Amino acid sequence: DAKTTQPNSMESNEEEPVHLPCNHSTISGTDYIHWYRQLPSQGPEYVIHGLTSNVNNRMASLAIAEDRKSSTLILHRATLRDAAVYYCILNRDDKIIFGKGTRLHILP
Amino acid sequence: DAMVIQNPRYQVTQFGKPVTLSCSQTLNHNVMYWYQQKSSQAPKLLFHYYDKDFNNEADTPDNFQSRRPNTSFCFLDIRSPGLGDAAMYLCATSRDGQADTEAFFGQGTRLTVV
Repeated sequence: DAKTTQPNSMESNEEEPVHLPCNHSTISGTDYIHWYRQLPSQGPEYVIHGLTSNVNNRMASLAIAEDRKSSTLILHRATLRDAAVYYCILNRDDKIIFGKGTRLHILP
Repeated sequence: DAMVIQNPRYQVTQFGKPVTLSCSQTLNHNVMYWYQQKSSQAPKLLFHYYDKDFNNEADTPDNFQSRRPNTSFCFLDIRSPGLGDAAMYLCATSRDGQADTEAFFGQGTRLTVV
């Protein structure tokens, strides 16, 4: 299974942008980069995914490096409700394998 | 509206007594997954179904079984729960399991073994 590396935890102030990094140096050409988040006591929820180009949706933006060996999830204006564990996943087949993720703390 | 529904949200079972957790989906997705998540750990894939085709992860204990009688329902059976099986169990679905499709997760069932 393709491996991703994320910081264990990060902090951000409320109403400021948050940049969550992910390294995936062993990514293959057909791997999609997915991000999920898990709020306390809930199941994971999909955030965003991409292949090569940067992607935007109502929740976040995904910036993918040109060599695809790293990516960054961008929350444009963090709120307290964004406090969660964020998982960066390389999806290449019909299995979704979670790494350890980044626990994001939002400071009021 | 909940699209992946897990019942019950909390389940207490006795050591060694078989227990079944259930999952239903209203999305008509082909793929259904079961994950185990222990405290402060990431979800760990146990197995998944692509339609009726069952795919077991190599390190999933034999104590864990699954059934998918139709598209909408999937069950996780733990034949003889041990204390180490206490965890959150998550069900998820995917339309077709392709790399560019998202998964939808239920809220999970928290299993306690006494």
